[in-house]
Amino acid sequence: AQKVTQAQTEISVVEKEDVTLDCVYETRDTTYYLFWYKQPPSGELVFLIRRNSFDEQNEISGRYSWNFQKSTSSFNFTITASQVVDSAVYFCALLNNAGNMLTFGGGTRLMVKP
Amino acid sequence: EPEVTQTPSHQVTQMGQEVILRCVPISNHLYFYWYRQILGQKVEFLVSFYNNEISEKSEIFDDQFSVERPDGSNFTLKIRSTKLEDSAMYFCASRPTEDTEAFFGQGTRLTVV
Repeated sequence: AQKVTQAQTEISVVEKEDVTLDCVYETRDTTYYLFWYKQPPSGELVFLIRRNSFDEQNEISGRYSWNFQKSTSSFNFTITASQVVDSAVYFCALLNNAGNMLTFGGGTRLMVKP
Repeated sequence: EPEVTQTPSHQVTQMGQEVILRCVPISNHLYFYWYRQILGQKVEFLVSFYNNEISEKSEIFDDQFSVERPDGSNFTLKIRSTKLEDSAMYFCASRPTEDTEAFFGQGTRLTVV
């Protein structure tokens, strides 16, 4: 069985602060895929990034960056210079090699205050 | 841009009734999923569907639930004899291949009264 853990259930920051959302996963597969999704107050699930298990290169996209560490089974997400619009629930998810099981973590609610 | 479409956006049903939640995945996608999110809680996997059959299902997906792809475009989730605890947001998702992200619909909010 696979598992995704997001230990931080809620984080509150002041605008312009940097914030890192943690994600730790467990899987027996040697090939797997990791994702981050954003769920704004409107409720939809918005895809942010995908990372394949064989690609440990970290990625930066504007104010967002992701740190994939296979050795510690972690896939952390950092928002630099946070903005109020970043307020949402963020989910980390793991897709197995067979592609038939996408498991979500419990989510981290990020509140960015002006 | 293609998107996953779910109908209705909100459904209210009486306890014990059957409901069918409908989804139109993105054309040419091969993998289909249903998820459930009870208000304020995690997104829970229900079932995945590939090649016209269930590929994987969770413990939640018991005999009360069934899925169908009746006409090659729609992907439905049927919940028989609904219970109060079935009240949740139900998300449909689809993926084109095994190594791509899942695209989610806007969800159907089911309220069982």
